[in-house]
Amino acid sequence: SQKIEQNSEALNIQEGKTATLTCNYTNYSPAYLQWYRQDPGRGPVFLLLIRENEKEKRKERLKVTFDTTLKQSLFHITASQPADSATYLCAWEEYGNNRLAFGKGNQVVVIP
Amino acid sequence: GAVVSQHPSWVICKSGTSVKIECRSLDFQATTMFWYRQFPKQSLMLMATSNEGSKATYEQGVEKDKFLINHASLTLSTLTVTSAHPEDSSFYICSASPGNIQYFGAGTRLSVL
Repeated sequence: SQKIEQNSEALNIQEGKTATLTCNYTNYSPAYLQWYRQDPGRGPVFLLLIRENEKEKRKERLKVTFDTTLKQSLFHITASQPADSATYLCAWEEYGNNRLAFGKGNQVVVIP
Repeated sequence: GAVVSQHPSWVICKSGTSVKIECRSLDFQATTMFWYRQFPKQSLMLMATSNEGSKATYEQGVEKDKFLINHASLTLSTLTVTSAHPEDSSFYICSASPGNIQYFGAGTRLSVL
């Protein structure tokens, strides 16, 4: 079965710097990966989706890459702000029919 | 984006009672909705797929008699935790999708005393 991992350690970063998070997979390449943001006590909020045949996707200060050679997706927050502090989850369609599996998530703390 | 509403946001109940959680898609119709559970510091775990007009599909290890799901309309799914026990205390989240992207409710914090 597929195994996809996120580094569960918190990332502390200075305001204005770029935060980079990693989602690694071990077996077959998922058709697409999604990235979500989750604030404490709230449901996840969709950020970006990147397909297997796409190298990069951008949305405002966010950028996602998909490298099938390295078997990983990178998620970047550029010019980070304290309001970006949250947990970021990668997700993939593990079971078919839109049924998603989620990584453990990466907590990001942006220090003013 | 699409809006999914979940109610209540938190509930405290006594052991042995049942709790119902509602999930509504406000601006789109959803033939399928999903229910997740999340324990502290853990990721979301898919519990079941709620199917409008038919039985829910449960993931391995999830007791269907314990977690009753009803999807009576194209905009409403309910999850009932029956005979709740302290180990059922968790954060329950629903989602629905008008396409590839899942839109999540705000979650329900269940505390069973």
